[in-house]
Amino acid sequence: AQTVTQSQPEMSVQEAETVTLSCTYDTSESDYYLFWYKQPPSRQMILVIRQEAYKQQNATENRFSVNFQKAAKSFSLKISDSQLGDAAMYFCAYRTMNSGNTPLVFGKGTRLSVIA
Amino acid sequence: DGGITQSPKYLFRKEGQNVTLSCEQNLNHDAMYWYRQDPGQGLRLIYYSQIVNDFQKGDIAEGYSVSREKKESFPLTVTSAQKNPTAFYLCASIQGANQPQHFGDGTRLSIL
Repeated sequence: AQTVTQSQPEMSVQEAETVTLSCTYDTSESDYYLFWYKQPPSRQMILVIRQEAYKQQNATENRFSVNFQKAAKSFSLKISDSQLGDAAMYFCAYRTMNSGNTPLVFGKGTRLSVIA
Repeated sequence: DGGITQSPKYLFRKEGQNVTLSCEQNLNHDAMYWYRQDPGQGLRLIYYSQIVNDFQKGDIAEGYSVSREKKESFPLTVTSAQKNPTAFYLCASIQGANQPQHFGDGTRLSIL
């Protein structure tokens, strides 16, 4: 079974600075998807960014980018120019590409605080 | 707008009582999921359904039951066998493995 590990339960960053959240995963598959979700205090789950394992290029979405290292099974999220609204729980998630609408496997999350 | 509606937002359960959490989607998605969220535990899968009239247990199905009689509805019943039901429950749906999951706004269940 696949597992996702987020080794940083809590992180903090100064406003306008850059922060990197870590995520590693364990799988024997070669084709899969990886996601980062944000959960603000409202508890809505918001997709931040996703990466297809077959793509070598790292995904970017405005201030959010990933460092995808397939051989190391690592999928870190970099937030540039941090804003107060970035304060939230961040979850890394994995899905196999091989069999239909299988569920996401989530890490335990990293709580990010942004300091003004 | 299409989306997932969970109700109620807050729910209280008395000892020995079964309660049902509602999840409705108008996205025409085939697959639906229930997750439980506890502090420090992330999201853990309770049940999921890939098509109508079919569902599978997730990692923590004990004490829960589901049904999928209609494509748009996937209610979760928390039975009296679930001894620690206090948690935040999230429903999600998806259409296509390369698509992200859509989530409802959640239900907070507490014990009276």
